[in-house]
Amino acid sequence: GEDVEQSLFLSVREGDSSVINCTYTDSSSTYLYWYKQEPGAGLQLLTYIFSNMDMKQDQRLTVLLNKKDKHLSLRIADTQTGDSAIYFCAEENVGNEKLTFGTGTRLTIIP
Amino acid sequence: EPEVTQTPSHQVTQMGQEVILRCVPISNHLYFYWYRQILGQKVEFLVSFYNNEISEKSEIFDDQFSVERPDGSNFTLKIRSTKLEDSAMYFCASKGRGSDNEQFFGPGTRLTVL
Repeated sequence: GEDVEQSLFLSVREGDSSVINCTYTDSSSTYLYWYKQEPGAGLQLLTYIFSNMDMKQDQRLTVLLNKKDKHLSLRIADTQTGDSAIYFCAEENVGNEKLTFGTGTRLTIIP
Repeated sequence: EPEVTQTPSHQVTQMGQEVILRCVPISNHLYFYWYRQILGQKVEFLVSFYNNEISEKSEIFDDQFSVERPDGSNFTLKIRSTKLEDSAMYFCASKGRGSDNEQFFGPGTRLTVL
């Protein structure tokens, strides 16, 4: 079955770039997503990438996809205190409605 | 901006009791989902619903669970006889038709089974 893995914790100094990594196993993934979850809140979609792309940039966010290695990353430039949250990677494959989520990476910003 | 809403935000119940978690998806959306997140664990898919029927369900979604769209706006998840291990955050999501594939999530209902 599908599996999505992430490291659990990341600490970054304010103003630096954060890079959150994710690996997945399903080679038929069509969409890969990054969601943000702030304390006590729901899941907010940050960005997504189609599997036929290798990069997508949206303001401070850059998503890189290495389909051969099944590796996805999210780079947050100029990390701010408001970026503190848990970041979930998720994948969806063709013909399958469900999202398979990773464990989530807790991003902590060091002042 | 339209959003998915869920009620209640927190539900406490005794083991063996029935609970109904409610969701109001975004009004023109056609696909509906329930996910759950046990504290400290992954967000897990439970069920998807389209055209008034279940389109896919996970192994977690056993006979104790059911979903319904009783009217044009609500989407409910019922747990018939709750167990301690049902304690989790339950998220509803909805998706429209077309090229935009985004599932919009609600804020979640925290279910605590005592």
